[in-house]
Parts: sequence; C-alpha cells; structure tokens
Amino acid sequence: DAGITQSPRHKVTETGTPVTLRCHQTENHRYMYWYRQDPGHGLRLIHYSYGVKDTDKGEVSDGYSVSRSKTEDFLLTLESATSSQTSVYFCAISQQGNNYEQYFGPGTRLTVT
Amino acid sequence: RKEVEQDPGPFNVPEGATVAFNCTYSNSASQSFFWYRQDCRKEPKLLMSVYSSGNEDGRFTAQLNRASQYISLLIRDSKLSDSATYLCVVNPSNSGYALNFGKGTSLLVTP
Repeated sequence: DAGITQSPRHKVTETGTPVTLRCHQTENHRYMYWYRQDPGHGLRLIHYSYGVKDTDKGEVSDGYSVSRSKTEDFLLTLESATSSQTSVYFCAISQQGNNYEQYFGPGTRLTVT
Repeated sequence: RKEVEQDPGPFNVPEGATVAFNCTYSNSASQSFFWYRQDCRKEPKLLMSVYSSGNEDGRFTAQLNRASQYISLLIRDSKLSDSATYLCVVNPSNSGYALNFGKGTSLLVTP
C-alpha cells in the first residue's frame, strides 16, 4: 500500500468553526489531491497540488483552502465549516509515471453539526 | 452529459458467475483509463489500468474501445470477496491535473 496517512480519521465539529485536515505521504510523489465523496455524487475534486506551494482549484473548491509547504504534507482547511461540508474527505497522490494513476489515503469522516 | 457514466447497479450474482461492467466517457481526447475498487467506508484502490490492447489480471479483464469511448471490466469466477463498488476512471489529459471518476457500479456476490 502507498504510504499515505490522513488525520484526523474522524471529526465532529460545529458550524462556523475552522477545521484543518492533514494528508501526509512518504512516497515523494509530486501531485497531491483532496476529494470529497458524498452519496449520489461520487468523488469530486476540491483542490490539487502539483508541487510545493503550487496549488489549484478543483470543481468544488468554494469554502476550502489548501497549503503545501513540504512535498509530503498537503493541508485542507475549512475556514468556517458548514453542514454542507459534512462528508468523507480523501487525499490522493500521483506521479508522472504509470499515467498519473492515483493512490488514496484512508479518508477522514467529517461531521459538521 | 457526465464525463464518465456507469450503470450504478446493483449487480447481484452468485459465486462463480461471470459479470461485466461497462463505462462510457465523453472526452474523446482522454489518455488513460483505470478501474478502481471501493469497499464500503474505505478508500478507492486501483484495481487495474486499462490499455488499448486490452489486459488481463487473473480473473479480471479490462477492455478499451476508443472509437466508441467505452471501457469494460469482466470478472470471471466471482468470489464473495469481489463484492464492492467498481469505479471507472478516466484521465482526460496526459497530466496530473485530475481524473474523472464515474459514480461506481455496485456488485454483490452471494453464496
């Protein structure tokens, strides 16, 4: 299995509070991604990174920000959590070889009450 | 039209059966293709890449038809442990930007 960890694995928070999710990889892959997965929607890209300090928006980026100060860490921040951000969040990594196939972390289950 | 479309199922099949999943994609310029497997409440895991010439990995066979923009996955001799959701995934460009995920097809293999 690819060396990807996510923390926390579960979190319950209140509406309006800031939340930061962490993704850590030991594979030295260049690309990192944050997805959310909701019933009926499948996996949707929030933000991705193509290198240290290089990030870009995905299809559902509103309400989220990211940072990547080191190759191995990619942080996802919900500045002011809303109930619509209740979801399962997956981090993924990829590299140029093997057609950019992605490997996923175990996920973070976030509940905003 | 969605980028990647799959029949959501569920497909209920007995052990030992052969089952096939299909997937269509809308971007004719798509470069690479994959099947992922996702167990309930777990992360998606790469099952296999799909090559133009078709490829096989044990009981699993993947086929690509670029002209029809169609991908398939065949599972032979189904096992109980094959029960999962199978995601069809397409890389629309030869880059690390993003993959397009289908919503998945649910498979339940019964004794």
